[in-house]
Amino acid sequence: GESVGLHLPTLSVQEGDNSIINCAYSNSASDYFIWYKQESGKGPQFIIDIRSNMDKRQGQRVTVLLNKTVKHLSLQIAATQPGDSAVYFCAENTGTASKLTFGTGTRLQVTL
Amino acid sequence: NAGVMQNPRHLVRRRGQEARLRCSPMKGHSHVYWYRQLPEEGLKFMVYLQKENIIDESGMPKERFSAEFPKEGPSILRIQQVVRGDSAAYFCASSRGAVTYEQYFGPGTRLTVT
Repeated sequence: GESVGLHLPTLSVQEGDNSIINCAYSNSASDYFIWYKQESGKGPQFIIDIRSNMDKRQGQRVTVLLNKTVKHLSLQIAATQPGDSAVYFCAENTGTASKLTFGTGTRLQVTL
Repeated sequence: NAGVMQNPRHLVRRRGQEARLRCSPMKGHSHVYWYRQLPEEGLKFMVYLQKENIIDESGMPKERFSAEFPKEGPSILRIQQVVRGDSAAYFCASSRGAVTYEQYFGPGTRLTVT
């Protein structure tokens, strides 16, 4: 079936380094993608989104890249901080359905 | 400036009891979504509701689970005759409209079935 998946379950980076979290999706009809951050015991927190008519979008310290050719999505976090430690999920929406399909998540660990 | 509110935050039920989870959307939001999350997994869509209407319940189990979003009051996710496999975190999200895709999540209700 259609799914969104992540390559790496855990990513460990040093404070100050850049982080890259990857996500693969299989539904070619998906036209909207979101990255969420989830800290332990909390609900998912919106980070950044991108529509399929774009290939890059920047926020504060974060950048999302979309490669529709290979159905790949990535989240880049610049100058990673201890507060960035969390599980990151990508999610997709096909536009005609309001539900989000989530990937399994990548745990980001920031070391000092 | 309250966000999405869910209560209770933690709920313990014995097998066979009923669980009622409540969700109050953000102010101005009329669309509510329920998701379930098992430990170390992503969120799975359950149901999408607007006021007094169920729009998409394709992720809801066929039995024991029901959801409503009345004209007044919070959205309710009801699980009857709970089993241990129902133990999970249940998250509610809300959005301003179906064409406004951004969904804001509540803190979740952690259901434990003993």
